[in-house]
Amino acid sequence: KAGVTQTPRYLIKTRGQQVTLSCSPISGHRSVSWYQQTPGQGLQFLFEYFSETQRNKGNFPGRFSGRQFSNSRSEMNVSTLELGDSALYLCASSLGQGFGNEQFFGPGTRLTVL
Amino acid sequence: AQSVTQLGSHVSVSEGALVLLRCNYSSSVPPYLFWYVQYPNQGLQLLLKYTTGATLVKGINGFEAEFKKSETSFHLTKPSAHMSDAAEYFCAVSVDQAGTALIFGKGTTLSVSS
Repeated sequence: KAGVTQTPRYLIKTRGQQVTLSCSPISGHRSVSWYQQTPGQGLQFLFEYFSETQRNKGNFPGRFSGRQFSNSRSEMNVSTLELGDSALYLCASSLGQGFGNEQFFGPGTRLTVL
Repeated sequence: AQSVTQLGSHVSVSEGALVLLRCNYSSSVPPYLFWYVQYPNQGLQLLLKYTTGATLVKGINGFEAEFKKSETSFHLTKPSAHMSDAAEYFCAVSVDQAGTALIFGKGTTLSVSS
């Protein structure tokens, strides 16, 4: 069974640009969650999508947005990039139903903002 | 609101010694708790989780954790450390029952020396 894949793996952008990151979940998983990992703030929850609907949202500005498609693939978009957006962005997929789902994480997309 | 505190950003042990990584949580609802491990340049992997029932939870690779409600703790232990256990460990509490929106602690880096 293929794992969670994220594309691209590395990305370099400049301030003010926008970026779109993609996540393909494990087959059969309907939930995709996104996290930002930085040395200073650690792992922070961005948002979660389940069956194309945003089910949970973290405390990030509106510049961070996401969506999920009918095949459960998900994208997140960051507009008007700032230097502080440089981070490893991780997505995780799970079945999404029931209690205490195990999340399976992808390898991440490392975004560098210059 | 939920939060997690991991005591000690770095823990060093000798091979064969006891591993103890500390985690305290704050939650306004019965918590769902998780421990994840991250190896260098990889995504996170679930070690174990507590949802309901038995308070002593066994996970992969010989790790276990005990949920103590009175102490709001969920410490991770392993009787005998292996070199391969060197990694970063994250404790997390779930925002909801599904467990797909996690609030992570800052992480503890475990070093194992021979």
